[in-house]
Amino acid sequence: GQQLNQSPQSMFIQEGEDVSMNCTSSSIFNTWLWYKQDPGEGPVLLIALYKAGELTSNGRLTAQFGITRKDSFLNISASIPSDVGIYFCAGQMAGTASKLTFGTGTRLQVTL
Amino acid sequence: KAGVTQTPRYLIKTRGQQVTLSCSPISGHRSVSWYQQTPGQGLQFLFEYFSETQRNKGNFPGRFSGRQFSNSRSEMNVSTLELGDSALYLCASGPTGAGRETQYFGPGTRLLVL
Repeated sequence: GQQLNQSPQSMFIQEGEDVSMNCTSSSIFNTWLWYKQDPGEGPVLLIALYKAGELTSNGRLTAQFGITRKDSFLNISASIPSDVGIYFCAGQMAGTASKLTFGTGTRLQVTL
Repeated sequence: KAGVTQTPRYLIKTRGQQVTLSCSPISGHRSVSWYQQTPGQGLQFLFEYFSETQRNKGNFPGRFSGRQFSNSRSEMNVSTLELGDSALYLCASGPTGAGRETQYFGPGTRLLVL
């Protein structure tokens, strides 16, 4: 099945550092979503983007919907230990709101 | 409001057996989607049910099937289990599964096929 290309695959950062990850696709999406998954849990929605070029923030998180509609990035500022987890991007095509195509994931680990 | 619940949380089966997983959506939600999560393939969409009808389907063999009941609870069934079916199976619910709704995921059922 299709997966979106997400990078980096994993990253170790120090507490307080900023983090950047991105997601690219060969297909155009109408909506880009960013999820975080903790061990033993299902993904939780962090940010949703609905319009090309849109920049949206949620606390220390900022995400952008690429102009080509084929990419998106997520920034986390001033990382804290609870940011540890796996971050997934997901794309949604028109007319298939409940059918998400997920990225390969970025595993974030924070060192004190 | 209770979240999406999935039962059982863990399951061990042997090859050739069949398995049924259950998902109870958030109260009032009528759309239920199922995903398979494996280390190799990541999160893959299986199918979506809305008002007891399958509305969207992913690229999985016919051994994977599902249904939805009138109370929106959903079950998925995998027949003739293969080792490669070992995965975390996640369900997600939404009010209608359309528009700009948030999909809420359950904690998943971890299936191990021996």
